[in-house]
Amino acid sequence: DIQMTQSPSSLSASVGDRVTITCQASQDISNYLNWYQQKPGKAPKLLIYDASNLETGVPSRFSGSESGTDFTFTISSLQPEDVATYYCQQYDNLPLTFGGGTKVEIK
Amino acid sequence: EVQLLESGGGLVQPGGSLRLSCAASGFTFSSYAMSWVRQAPGKGLEWVSAISGSGGSTYHADSVKGRFTISRDNSKNTLYLQMNSLRDEDTAVYYCAKQRVFSYYGSGSYFDYWGQGTLVTVSS
Repeated sequence: DIQMTQSPSSLSASVGDRVTITCQASQDISNYLNWYQQKPGKAPKLLIYDASNLETGVPSRFSGSESGTDFTFTISSLQPEDVATYYCQQYDNLPLTFGGGTKVEIK
Repeated sequence: EVQLLESGGGLVQPGGSLRLSCAASGFTFSSYAMSWVRQAPGKGLEWVSAISGSGGSTYHADSVKGRFTISRDNSKNTLYLQMNSLRDEDTAVYYCAKQRVFSYYGSGSYFDYWGQGTLVTVSS
């Protein structure tokens, strides 16, 4: 199985800060990497697909990029409504696997 | 508007069975793969099972293989998960998720819509 190592596991930042989360795949997954947001008590929501494509309706402060097997998710200016846990997910190989999640809080 | 509504969760004893359902609306159900993803209390997401749009191809994670069976009824726009021989570690919120393409694997097979989840608790 492909392991997705996500870091950090949690972070606290101020409103307006730039926030970066990384996800490393245990092997090459091309760009088959997605990012989801899960707010407390809610279902996950797709934000970024294929490493860098913004899902329709998602604010442009969210972005994704890739460099080999390393993937980066960025919130350019953290907003109060962005408090959530963020997960990466690969779909290059079965089984589909998720990273462990990053809990984002407001300082 | 895409809607996914899970049902069938509840409390069951170890070794017992449950069948989850996911009623879909707002899209052509038979054109898209569907999956079940679960989340144990306070834990991360785990992909459990998937089925192609036609129902002709299925996949189950090793953790549930031989115990869980995913199926779909395209005439009723409903996805199912039959869960047998339940264990304590199967306790979780189970989400059904629509995938963007016909196949559950390969280009475009990410989860673009999710239901609100149904809680399964396995305990004596």
